[in-house]
Amino acid sequence: GIQVEQSPPDLILQEGANSTLRCNFSDSVNNLQWFHQNPWGQLINLFYIPSGTKQNGRLSATTVATERYSLLYISSSQTTDSGVYFCALQSNTGKLIFGQGTTLQVKP
Amino acid sequence: EPEVTQTPSHQVTQMGQEVILRCVPISNHLYFYWYRQILGQKVEFLVSFYNNEISEKSEIFDDQFSVERPDGSNFTLKIRSTKLEDSAMYFCASTAGGLDTQYFGPGTRLTVL
Repeated sequence: GIQVEQSPPDLILQEGANSTLRCNFSDSVNNLQWFHQNPWGQLINLFYIPSGTKQNGRLSATTVATERYSLLYISSSQTTDSGVYFCALQSNTGKLIFGQGTTLQVKP
Repeated sequence: EPEVTQTPSHQVTQMGQEVILRCVPISNHLYFYWYRQILGQKVEFLVSFYNNEISEKSEIFDDQFSVERPDGSNFTLKIRSTKLEDSAMYFCASTAGGLDTQYFGPGTRLTVL
């Protein structure tokens, strides 16, 4: 089946630092989504990015479909960025296959 | 902005009891999904639903689980006889097209005692 691997599993940053989260996947991509799971457990959509680069404020994402990876960049991190970041690959049948997540802690 | 809603936010039940988790997808969406997340683990696909029937289901979605769209707005997940291992966060998601962005509800945390 499709494999989705995220790295690093855990990341601790000082407020104001930048970070890059990586998502590798084993199959061609129809759709790739990045989510932030906040401390209340809600999954917040960050990006729908099957290819190319998108930016939203301090966050940006790049997917290189031919090389089967996606990167999520967080610049000038804030304590509210803490939580778990998931990437999810969409199969041909529509279901999302999630990675294990990267747990980010931003310290003040 | 339209959003997916789920009720209840938290459900506590005794092992062996039936539970129904409710979702109201975004109104013009046609594809509906249930996922679950056991505490500390990744999100797992349970079932997809389109045109009033199941499109795909995972190995987790056994005979104890069922889904229904009883009217034009609600989408429900029923667990007939809950087990301890059913304790998890259950997420509903919907999308307009089969390969479009999936929008997730806030989840229902199910605790089976």
